[in-house]
Amino acid sequence: DTEVTQTPKHLVMGMTNKKSLKCEQHMGHRAMYWYKQKAKKPPELMFVYSYEKLSINESVPSRFSPECPNSSLLNLHLHALQPEDSALYLCASSQGFNVMNTEAFFGQGTRLTVV
Amino acid sequence: GENVEQHPSTLSVQEGDNSIINCAYSNSASDYFIWYKQESGKGPQFIIDIRSNVGEKKDQRIAVTLNKTAKHFSLHITETQPEDSAVYFCAASFGANNLFFGTGTRLTVIP
Repeated sequence: DTEVTQTPKHLVMGMTNKKSLKCEQHMGHRAMYWYKQKAKKPPELMFVYSYEKLSINESVPSRFSPECPNSSLLNLHLHALQPEDSALYLCASSQGFNVMNTEAFFGQGTRLTVV
Repeated sequence: GENVEQHPSTLSVQEGDNSIINCAYSNSASDYFIWYKQESGKGPQFIIDIRSNVGEKKDQRIAVTLNKTAKHFSLHITETQPEDSAVYFCAASFGANNLFFGTGTRLTVIP
């Protein structure tokens, strides 16, 4: 199983809503990531979790709140978003830190629209 | 950090021709290089990777070459097929598991 599963695939939310994006992998990977991708742009790193601990936060606004309940799950909680936050949100996983860099596997993404 | 420049931004080839996409990186400490293919509405899909102690790696019609001296790596697709049409991203990494992406190349294969 080399799959990273993201739900939902599409999400439309108002600026006052609270919603969550979910990501799951069962490859035994210990590093999990959230990326944001705008149209025609490369993915931009938001957060990295290593062994269920937040290790990198790329100065992401606090309206995005990540959570890693266990080694297989990664959530991104959204609150009071702005229309400019509309993008494709990608989850990825890889074997983890202290291991020679290996490929990160990406999910299909959640297409988020903030209205 | 790392800065990765990718060229060309768009590439159109005839079916059966070869395709080459180039990336230049800035950080000489980068030691892992990877290529992703992204189709419309989908997440990036791993294609091929290479480590800094190797100059070339092949997988069927796909190959990646690395020139550490020039800080440059390339994706080679032989006998390009219509199903190869997509956006291709290169990425470089050093140390921690953070990938620095290039700006992408939209490959269009003309039947």
